[in-house]
Amino acid sequence: GAVVSQHPSWVICKSGTSVKIECRSLDFQATTMFWYRQFPKQSLMLMATSNEGSKATYEQGVEKDKFLINHASLTLSTLTVTSAHPEDSSFYICSARDRPKKGTGSYEQYFGPGTRLTVT
Amino acid sequence: DAKTTQPTSMDCAEGRAANLPCNHSTISGNEYVYWYRQIHSQGPQYIIHGLKNNETNEMASLIITEDRKSSTLILPHATLRDTAVYYCIVKGNTPLVFGKGTRLSVIA
Repeated sequence: GAVVSQHPSWVICKSGTSVKIECRSLDFQATTMFWYRQFPKQSLMLMATSNEGSKATYEQGVEKDKFLINHASLTLSTLTVTSAHPEDSSFYICSARDRPKKGTGSYEQYFGPGTRLTVT
Repeated sequence: DAKTTQPTSMDCAEGRAANLPCNHSTISGNEYVYWYRQIHSQGPQYIIHGLKNNETNEMASLIITEDRKSSTLILPHATLRDTAVYYCIVKGNTPLVFGKGTRLSVIA
C-alpha cells in the first residue's frame, strides 16, 4: 500500500513557541491531505482538509490562525501549531488521499504514523 | 453524528476467527463501508472497504448484508498482533470521520 511519513515522530516544546509537523506521501501524489488530532483514550478528530495549491478547509471549532496548514506540493503538507499551549498536547496524524479508483467513486486514505506533541 | 454503531469491546482467542459487527442503517446508496484499525500509538491502518459485494483481501473479509444496513469484518485467524481498535466508517466523497470503534483484544 501507499506510504505516508510524518516528521518528527515526537516533539517537546515550551509554551508559547511554534512547532511544525511535516507530512509526506512517499510513493504517490496526494492532491488532498487531512490533519487529525487524537487526545488520550479518544478517537481521531478531523481538524482540516488541505488541497494542493489552495487554502485549507477547517472543521468547526478548529482555529485556522493557530493551526497553520500549507500544502505546497503534491507530496508535502505541513501543520504549524503556533503559540503552543499545554492543552495543544496531543497526537497529530496526517492522512493523504489517493486518486479515485477507475470506475468507482471510492478512494483510500493512507495515514502517517503520527506525531506526539507535548507542550510544557 | 455517528453513522455507525459498533460494540465497545470484544475478545477473541488467538488462532480463532474474529468477527466484528457494524450497524450502518442510514447508509446512502453512494456510500462505501470502510474498515481501519489503530494499534496503540500508531496511525490508522487501512484494512478493507466495499460497496455492496463481499470483499476479501490478504488481511480480512468484509461481509455486507443485502440491504447494506450492516456489515461484519472477519479476521480469519486472529493473532496477538491484531489487538487494536477497529473502526467501521461509512463514507462517500468526504474525509473519513472516526467513531469510537471496537477495541479487539486477542488473547493467547
